[in-house]
Parts: sequence; C-alpha cells; structure tokens
Amino acid sequence: GAVVSQHPSWVICKSGTSVKIECRSLDFQATTMFWYRQFPKQSLMLMATSNEGSKATYEQGVEKDKFLINHASLTLSTLTVTSAHPEDSSFYICSAPPGGHDGTQYFGPGTRLLVL
Amino acid sequence: GDSVTQMEGPVTLSEEAFLTINCTYTATGYPSLFWYVQYPGEGLQLLLKATKADDKGSNKGFEATYRKETTSFHLEKGSVQVSDSAVYFCALTPNSGNTPLVFGKGTRLSVIA
Repeated sequence: GAVVSQHPSWVICKSGTSVKIECRSLDFQATTMFWYRQFPKQSLMLMATSNEGSKATYEQGVEKDKFLINHASLTLSTLTVTSAHPEDSSFYICSAPPGGHDGTQYFGPGTRLLVL
Repeated sequence: GDSVTQMEGPVTLSEEAFLTINCTYTATGYPSLFWYVQYPGEGLQLLLKATKADDKGSNKGFEATYRKETTSFHLEKGSVQVSDSAVYFCALTPNSGNTPLVFGKGTRLSVIA
C-alpha cells in the first residue's frame, strides 16, 4: 500500500514552546490530509482537514490558532502546536487518501508529544 | 450522522482460537467499509476493506463481508496468533473521495499462548 511518514516520532518540549509535526505522502500526491489526536486507549479524534492550497478545516472544539496546519505541497502537511501546554500531550496521527474512489486512507506512524 | 459501533473489548483469546469482532454501521448512501489495526505505539494499518454490498475483504487470514441488509462488517479469523494482539478499528467513509473516516471506538485483542 501507499506510504505516509511522520516526523518526529517522539518529541518532548517545555510548556510554552511550539512544536511542528510533519506528515508526508512518500509515493503519492495528496490534495487532502487529515490530522487526528488519540488519547490513551481511545479511538481517534479528527482534529482538522488539511487542504493543499487553501485553509484547513477544523472540527468543532479544536482551536485553529493553537493547532496551525499548513499544507505546503501535494506531499507535505504540517501541524504546529503553538504555546504547548501539558494538556496538549497526546499521540498525533495524520492520514492521507491516495485519491482513489473507495475512500481508502493511509496513516502515518504517529507522533507522541509530551509537554513538560 | 454516520456512525460505527463495534463490540467493546478487551477480548482475550488463546492462540488458535476463532475470532469475531462485531461491527455495525449507520450511514446514508453506500459507504466504503474498513478494518484498521493498530499495534502498540504505532499508527493505523489498513487490514482490509470492502466497497460495496456483499464484497468480502480479506488479508492475513482475516476477513469481513459487507452486509447491507444487516448494516454489518464483522471481522473474523479462524485461528489467531499471539502476533495478532492489537487494537482493531472498524471505519467507514460516507462518500468516495477525500472525506475523513468515521471510526468505531476500537477493540483491544490480546492473544495468549
């Protein structure tokens, strides 16, 4: 199947700093990517839809000024957690559909963020 | 809105036991259905999918059949292995194309030797 990478896989930062997470589709182009957040032993929560060339669409309750999304190219989307606080600690996962008609999405390996 | 309901876990089985994880859905139209698997500390991997009624998806000994009449997509495996221990997510996309997946809550499977 198609491959999606994320970087970094692990990040520890101090409260108040910003952290950038990259999501790349390695062997296909993705006009749309999705960002999810996952709490321990829970399902994935959709945060936002990243659209190449236009603004991201955020789900209700997600602060767009705190979670900045930039879809810089057809293979790269970034999520920046600004002024991170301990409650932002979580597992962040991105996904991308290769553009077929059946809706299949491929997921990155995830980024674990710990804010001290 | 669209939703996915899957059986609550955790499920604990002995090696070589038969596995069923139930999944039912509510959706308008004709969604595509998926099973994803998540191993500890990792992202989700596509396990299998079905895009229309009566389709059977299969992979690595797992299979699931798209049953429109019962709005179900139950995951089965005839003989589980310790390496199958993971969290399994049932999901759908309401439409084809670039729409987000709707996930069930996940079912944790533990297989003991």
